[in-house]
Amino acid sequence: GAVVSQHPSRVICKSGTSVKIECRSLDFQATTMFWYRQFPKQSLMLMATSNEGSKATYEQGVEKDKFLINHASLTLSTLTVTSAHPEDSSFYICSARARGWSGNTIYFGEGSWLTVV
Amino acid sequence: GNSVTQMEGPVTLSEEAFLTINCTYTATGYPSLFWYVQYPGEGLQLLLKATKADDKGSNKGFEATYRKETTSFHLEKGSVQVSDSAVYFCALSDRGLGTSGSRLTFGEGTQLTVNP
Repeated sequence: GAVVSQHPSRVICKSGTSVKIECRSLDFQATTMFWYRQFPKQSLMLMATSNEGSKATYEQGVEKDKFLINHASLTLSTLTVTSAHPEDSSFYICSARARGWSGNTIYFGEGSWLTVV
Repeated sequence: GNSVTQMEGPVTLSEEAFLTINCTYTATGYPSLFWYVQYPGEGLQLLLKATKADDKGSNKGFEATYRKETTSFHLEKGSVQVSDSAVYFCALSDRGLGTSGSRLTFGEGTQLTVNP
């Protein structure tokens, strides 16, 4: 079963509105979560690294004021796309790092399809 | 910077056919290499990995060998099944996966459809 859950899996919003995507780690605490974006027929691109209790680290070219990331607890990180525009339509996927006795493992969520109309 | 190039899809095969999905990379140093699989409606799952040159990762009948001389990590399976239908992503990490500062760089993904 899934160890990282994303919600919603699909969302359609109007241009100019904001939309929030949640990423939850199930059964483990994730001090670090990652947010990726994938445009059609392109690679998953890392947008930002989210650390619990601190500000997210954004990759070059990603607008932090447009893509708000909050990691308020050890099991939840949220990505809010503010003032969404059609060019923000994409597949967003999160991953979470789980620390274990044998090392660290990265688990991915199911992804969220955002369509801005 | 780091980059991963994958064979373009989609790939359609008949059951029991041989599968190869090509993956080449560009990276500084000695990256770790991964194949992830995404089944319909699910998240990415690690399929196999290799952390140094000449290592062979294997899982569920899939194999990939880390070839430093050709900077490649091609995915192979001798006999595919309908249940293998999914999207496959090649990826690299320039340091130990899960360690502080590690980042995954992904290829574009290859859609595989296996028909009965």
